[in-house]
Amino acid sequence: QKEVEQDPGPLSVPEGAIVSLNCTYSNSAFQYFMWYRQYSRKGPELLMYTYSSGNKEDGRFTAQVDKSSKYISLFIRDSQPSDSATYLCAMSAPPWGQNFVFGPGTRLSVLP
Amino acid sequence: GAGVSQSPSNKVTEKGKDVELRCDPISGHTALYWYRQSLGQGLEFLIYFQGNSAPDKSGLPSDRFSAERTGGSVSTLTIQRTQQEDSAVYLCASSFGIDQNIQYFGAGTRLSVL
Repeated sequence: QKEVEQDPGPLSVPEGAIVSLNCTYSNSAFQYFMWYRQYSRKGPELLMYTYSSGNKEDGRFTAQVDKSSKYISLFIRDSQPSDSATYLCAMSAPPWGQNFVFGPGTRLSVLP
Repeated sequence: GAGVSQSPSNKVTEKGKDVELRCDPISGHTALYWYRQSLGQGLEFLIYFQGNSAPDKSGLPSDRFSAERTGGSVSTLTIQRTQQEDSAVYLCASSFGIDQNIQYFGAGTRLSVL
């Protein structure tokens, strides 16, 4: 079993749809949970960052963490064509280094 | 500079040759990270530097891989005797302060080993 599982997609949705992206993980020591967005031929950029369980909202983006289920989600409301990218979940635990793990990413296309 | 800069952006080499990949982090960032991204795979952690020291080298896949950082700034990742399985995008990131989860990435070097 991989340490972090993420549906690779591709996921295609019409403009304006609500998008749900998810990751599951196996290491209960993870405490910090991130979502990075990666456009084609670019490096990832940090989108959302949460600590432990709970919700965090930033504009059209909401991140949810359920540590009891080892499950994290990213919701995108009113999706736009500019949201088309690969979304990578990431998680970490101290001591840092090998305990920072990325998921394989989900490729999202938002169609105008 | 304004962001993390990596060079070259693309590198094609023959099996068995050595390659050097360069990363120039954001000015003032004390931590620097190297990752490898293969098609359909997540980012694979290779090594990170705090200043010029590498506290964790355990992600380097073999002894053909080495990295150094000088002057607390530029870093070089060297792959000796390249193999076809080394073909991937090599990404560098840097961060400032104690929160190593907030990283700024370069655009990567796309390495193709023929």
